[in-house]
Amino acid sequence: DADVTQTPRNRITKTGKRIMLECSQTKGHDRMYWYRQDPGLGLRLIYYSFDVKDINKGEISDGYSVSRQAQAKFSLSLESAIPNQTALYFCATSDEGSRGYTFGSGTRLTVV
Amino acid sequence: GQSLEQPSEVTAVEGAIVQINCTYQTSGFYGLSWYQQHDGGAPTFLSYNALDGLEETGRFSSFLSRSDSYGYLLLQELQMKDSASYFCAVRDNKDSSYKLIFGSGTRLLVRP
Repeated sequence: DADVTQTPRNRITKTGKRIMLECSQTKGHDRMYWYRQDPGLGLRLIYYSFDVKDINKGEISDGYSVSRQAQAKFSLSLESAIPNQTALYFCATSDEGSRGYTFGSGTRLTVV
Repeated sequence: GQSLEQPSEVTAVEGAIVQINCTYQTSGFYGLSWYQQHDGGAPTFLSYNALDGLEETGRFSSFLSRSDSYGYLLLQELQMKDSASYFCAVRDNKDSSYKLIFGSGTRLLVRP
């Protein structure tokens, strides 16, 4: 099993629909992140969390919300999806001892 | 504002050496990381430099000069499988979040 699992892998949804992307990890890491990737723009931080009680906005949090249900689970919601939220979404984890992030396989989201 | 600049595309020949540069302008600096991403895949961690100098890991080396706000990734003995996108990323805050700002990526094409 992958260390960081994202579901679904692909999703097509309609404008205005609510959608949730899920992330779970078996690394035991306390820090979790949601990034969005668009062609030519690299990865941009949406939200991050130190632990279950801590949620922080990243540089592009508008239109998104998150929930840290447990240390191992961090979900991203789009309350009312719009076409410019079409992108590749990555969940990542780290902790104090790790030099880098461990990324999930990504969720490709298309809003039509 | 925060910015990381890296070339959008680099082409090199199998067996050669290639250097991918990254210059950064951030409010704070606590380390430069490099990630590799194959098409359709997740970013994977390659290296991390917090102090000036060169760090070597097999065929890959990473260099940092904090006074010049500059770093590079050096790939030696290029192989076809090295064709991928490479992202530099800066940790701009000393808080416990370990959140990263990513560059827009350099697409490396290795030719036979």
